Amino acid sequence: EVQVLESGGGWVQPGGSLRLSCAASGFNFSSCAMNWVRQTPGQGLEWVAAVSGSGNSAYYADSVKGLFTISRDNFKNTLSLHLNRLRSEDTAVYYCVKDGSYDYGANSLLGHWGQGTLVTVSS
Amino acid sequence: SYELTQPPSVSVSPGQTASITCSGDKFGDKYIYWYQQKPGQSPVLVIYQDTKRPSGIPERFSGSNPGNIATLTISGTQATDEAHYYCQAWDSGVVFGGGTKLTVL
Repeated sequence: EVQVLESGGGWVQPGGSLRLSCAASGFNFSSCAMNWVRQTPGQGLEWVAAVSGSGNSAYYADSVKGLFTISRDNFKNTLSLHLNRLRSEDTAVYYCVKDGSYDYGANSLLGHWGQGTLVTVSS
Repeated sequence: SYELTQPPSVSVSPGQTASITCSGDKFGDKYIYWYQQKPGQSPVLVIYQDTKRPSGIPERFSGSNPGNIATLTISGTQATDEAHYYCQAWDSGVVFGGGTKLTVL
């Protein structure tokens, strides 16, 4: 059974940093791109970042480019998202999402979502 | 930036057919995906590549994309189908619609 489990959320002051992790199991981790998608409280979904199966290619939404860094460890089957210079508008539930493709692109299929981890940015 | 437009809410009576629409530019060039999100839960993919159903998704869920507007159809709607539904497409990146709250009255 495919499982992705996020951790690392919490409260942080504006300008602070946080590291989210996602532990994956039940599938060939290195064969799948991985994504982070966020959802602000009571609002819709926003794709944040993706990384290819090899980890060699990373992709970011314009709203987080230069602020967030996505990475993966294919030996430990883990995905990470480093959030830097956090702003109040980054407050959201962050979901780790398995892609149905090897690389992020037009064939991306967000097939399996974790339960999410809440990041709250507030003074 | 590319936008997908969904109605904020749709209501349906139990056992009837619910239709949720999603519109955007150049739909004929794009695959549409649909996600169901129940309160307090994570999104679940219910339709991919316009019309395909992942394993485990009931047959009452179907999708269409004739090129100008995409539609998620739920036949014989059940109370358990009450949820938010989001469409998604690719346009230089993953783009989501604003979501539709389906109420089963």
